[in-house]
Amino acid sequence: EAAVTQSPRSKVAVTGGKVTLSCHQTNNHDYMYWYRQDTGHGLRLIHYSYVADSTEKGDIPDGYKASRPSQENFSLILELASLSQTAVYFCASSGSSGNTLYFGEGSRLIVV
Amino acid sequence: GNSVTQMQGQVTLSEEEFLFINCTYSTTGYPTLFWYVQYPGEGPQLLLKVTTANNKGSSRGFEATYDKGTTSFHLQKASVQESDSAVYYCVLGPADTNAYKVIFGKGTHLHVLP
Repeated sequence: EAAVTQSPRSKVAVTGGKVTLSCHQTNNHDYMYWYRQDTGHGLRLIHYSYVADSTEKGDIPDGYKASRPSQENFSLILELASLSQTAVYFCASSGSSGNTLYFGEGSRLIVV
Repeated sequence: GNSVTQMQGQVTLSEEEFLFINCTYSTTGYPTLFWYVQYPGEGPQLLLKVTTANNKGSSRGFEATYDKGTTSFHLQKASVQESDSAVYYCVLGPADTNAYKVIFGKGTHLHVLP
């Protein structure tokens, strides 16, 4: 079965600090995604990647960077965390364009 | 541009009642359409998908028909259970094989009362 694991599952960060959320998949999928979930907004795409060493901007990339060092790993980086980035973040992978997304369990980030 | 509309933010039903969640989409071409379900504390997971226009998908008692004429993909279930309480997302896949992005609706939160 497809497996996407995220770490940390929960984190409290201070405003202005750096936060790295990590994602690891064992599905041998080429495509990986980072989504943000807020009440009333559903899921919004931050960054995605379809090959190692390359990332693309999604719909809300401002304030976020992404890194895809290998097919299995995809990180989301907040260089200067802000209060507005408090949210639940989900990583997902898929085998091809338009195919089923497999999500991790989410990382809850609270910025204080 | 491409879009997905779910007008119902929240639906409350009693057990054994009929469920209908409205979903309409706007795009060109013939994309795959999906319904995802998210249980509390978990990530979204695929509920069903339909790749061909005018076909029906079904899973765990849920059904949805890909209606190209009305650009709709409504989700239905004849008799809900308390365990169906979750958030349901209608999702539009890319119609272009060179595109990578899927589009999520805002989600419908289903509460089923015992």
